[in-house]
Amino acid sequence: KNEVEQSPQNLTAQEGEFITINCSYSVGISALHWLQQHPGGGIVSLFMLSSGKKKHGRLIATINIQEKHSSLHITASHPRDSAVYICAVPPIIQGAQKLVFGQGTRLTINP
Amino acid sequence: GAGVSQSPSNKVTEKGKDVELRCDPISGHTALYWYRQSLGQGLEFLIYFQGNSAPDKSGLPSDRFSAERTGGSVSTLTIQRTQQEDSAVYLCASSLVPLAGGYNEQFFGPGTRLTVL
Repeated sequence: KNEVEQSPQNLTAQEGEFITINCSYSVGISALHWLQQHPGGGIVSLFMLSSGKKKHGRLIATINIQEKHSSLHITASHPRDSAVYICAVPPIIQGAQKLVFGQGTRLTINP
Repeated sequence: GAGVSQSPSNKVTEKGKDVELRCDPISGHTALYWYRQSLGQGLEFLIYFQGNSAPDKSGLPSDRFSAERTGGSVSTLTIQRTQQEDSAVYLCASSLVPLAGGYNEQFFGPGTRLTVL
């Protein structure tokens, strides 16, 4: 079993829909990272969070440390949101710095 | 520039040749990481440098892979006698000094796409 599991692996939706991507992890962590990867490979950091909820524009990330679960939500989705979304955690047992990654969720938003 | 930079952006090489990939971290970031993303695979850790400490090489897949960081800044990842399975996107990231027992946000470079023919 991977230390970080994401679901779904693929998600296709229509423009305007509310999107939820889930991340579950099995290791102790102090923070969790949500990343976005567009075609071409570049990775952009969306959120780093250790508790509660963060919001940037149409993106919202939540984390429940006790349940070892995080969600990334996109409101009023747009075709430009189409990308791979990756959850990453730095396991404390491995020094709390190097990241372990989920397999990613490929999101496609159709106009 | 303000962000992490990597060069080259693309590298095509023949099987058996050596390659060097370069990473310039954000100025002032003492921690530097190399990750790899093979085709159809997730990202995996390769090596981690922090200041003058011995690097954490636990993710290097074989002894054909090595990395160095000169002057605490620029890092070079070297792959000797490349194999087709080395084809991947190699990503570099940097961060400020990690907090004891905590995590400092990592900032990623654009990656180097390596193709071994």
